Amino acid sequence: KAGVTQTPRYLIKTRGQQVTLSCSPISGHRSVSWYQQTPGQGLQFLFEYFSETQRNKGNFPGRFSGRQFSNSRSEMNVSTLELGDSALYLCASSLGTGEDGELFFGEGSRLTVL
Amino acid sequence: KQEVTQIPAALSVPEGENLVLNCSFTDSAIYNLQWFRQDPGKGLTSLLLIQSSQREQTSGRLNASLDKSSGRSTLYIAASQPGDSATYLCAVSGSNYQLIWGAGTKLIIKP
Repeated sequence: KAGVTQTPRYLIKTRGQQVTLSCSPISGHRSVSWYQQTPGQGLQFLFEYFSETQRNKGNFPGRFSGRQFSNSRSEMNVSTLELGDSALYLCASSLGTGEDGELFFGEGSRLTVL
Repeated sequence: KQEVTQIPAALSVPEGENLVLNCSFTDSAIYNLQWFRQDPGKGLTSLLLIQSSQREQTSGRLNASLDKSSGRSTLYIAASQPGDSATYLCAVSGSNYQLIWGAGTKLIIKP
């Protein structure tokens, strides 16, 4: 059974550009969540989608957005990139919600903003 | 507001020792608590998930306990091996589907 797949794995952008990251969840998983990991702030929740609906959003500016498609694949977009957006972006999928919501993570997309 | 704390931030022990990692949280209204490991530059690997109605979970040499009333969880690693070296993170999930993370414990097992 394939795990969570994130693309691209590495990318370099310059300030002001935008970026789109993709996440393919484990087959059958309907929940996808995104996290930003930096050395200074640790892991921070970005947003979570379930059946194409955003259920929750973390404390990030509107430049960070996401969506989920009918096949549960998800994308996140960051517009007008800033140096501080350099981070490892992690996607996780889960089968259920609540108590049974065990998360399975992808390898992440490492974004460097110059 | 839920806050998760992990102590210690770093731990170095000789191979073969049994060890305990700690995780505390401030709001006991959780759905579950998960322990993860992260190797440098990699994603996270789920180790154990404890539902709010459970007290502990075991997987191989790993045992995680949960005490909601005191807001604590421990991850016990038996007979540690160099391959256990990684950063261990705990995260709690509440009714808003949002995971709140601890800062992690960096574990080094010396051969």
